[in-house]
Amino acid sequence: RKEVEQDPGPFNVPEGATVAFNCTYSNSASQSFFWYRQDCRKEPKLLMSVYSSGNEDGRFTAQLNRASQYISLLIRDSKLSDSATYLCVVVDTGGGNKLTFGTGTQLKVEL
Amino acid sequence: EAQVTQNPRYLITVTGKKLTVTCSQNMNHEYMSWYRQDPGLGLRQIYYSMNVEVTDKGDVPEGYKVSRKEKRNFPLILESPSPNQTSLYFCASSPRGGSGANVLTFGAGSRLTVL
Repeated sequence: RKEVEQDPGPFNVPEGATVAFNCTYSNSASQSFFWYRQDCRKEPKLLMSVYSSGNEDGRFTAQLNRASQYISLLIRDSKLSDSATYLCVVVDTGGGNKLTFGTGTQLKVEL
Repeated sequence: EAQVTQNPRYLITVTGKKLTVTCSQNMNHEYMSWYRQDPGLGLRQIYYSMNVEVTDKGDVPEGYKVSRKEKRNFPLILESPSPNQTSLYFCASSPRGGSGANVLTFGAGSRLTVL
C-alpha cells in the first residue's frame, strides 16, 4: 500500500460546482498535513494546512480524520482558475523530517 | 522578491556526462530539499539538508550527490547521468526543518532529459 494515496482523476466539474477530494495515508504516526496546488508544468504551491479541527479559507475547506487516516479538500463554487492538480502532503516529524507527497488529483473546471 | 532559483530550467544531456543543477534561495531558510517528479509517482525526495553542512538521503538518493557549503545554495550533482534520471526536478526550501519544513517554497523546476 502506498504511504499516501490520491485518486488521480481527472475530476471534470462545471463552473460553480462543489467538489471534494480525499487523500488517505498509511502511517498512523503522521503529524502534519497539507494541501498543495500544482498548475501544469509549474511548481507546487502551498494551498492550506489541515488542522485536526478542520479549517476553512474562503471557498476551500480542509478536514482531517485521524481515525480513518484521511484528509479531505472541499472546493465550493468552483472557478475555471481552480483547474489544477491538488497534492496532499503528509509529514512525519518523528525521527527527522519526512514529507510524503501524494501523486495528486487533477481537477478540470469547465464552462 | 523572495524566491528559490534553479538553473538550468531545461537541459538535454547524454549518458555519463556529469552535470550540476544549481539551487539558490534568498530567504535565509535553513531547510532545503530536492525532489524529482515523474508521471504516476508524484514528488519523491532525493536529498534534503537541515542546515549548512548537514545533508541526508531522501527516498531516492541513488545516482545523486548534494552539498550544502553555504546556507543559500544546495546544488544537485549527477556524476554519471543515466536515462532513468530523466525527470522534472524541483528544489524547495523552508525556514526550518522538522515540523516547519512543511511550508515549502519551490523553485520553478528543471526539466532534465538524459539520452
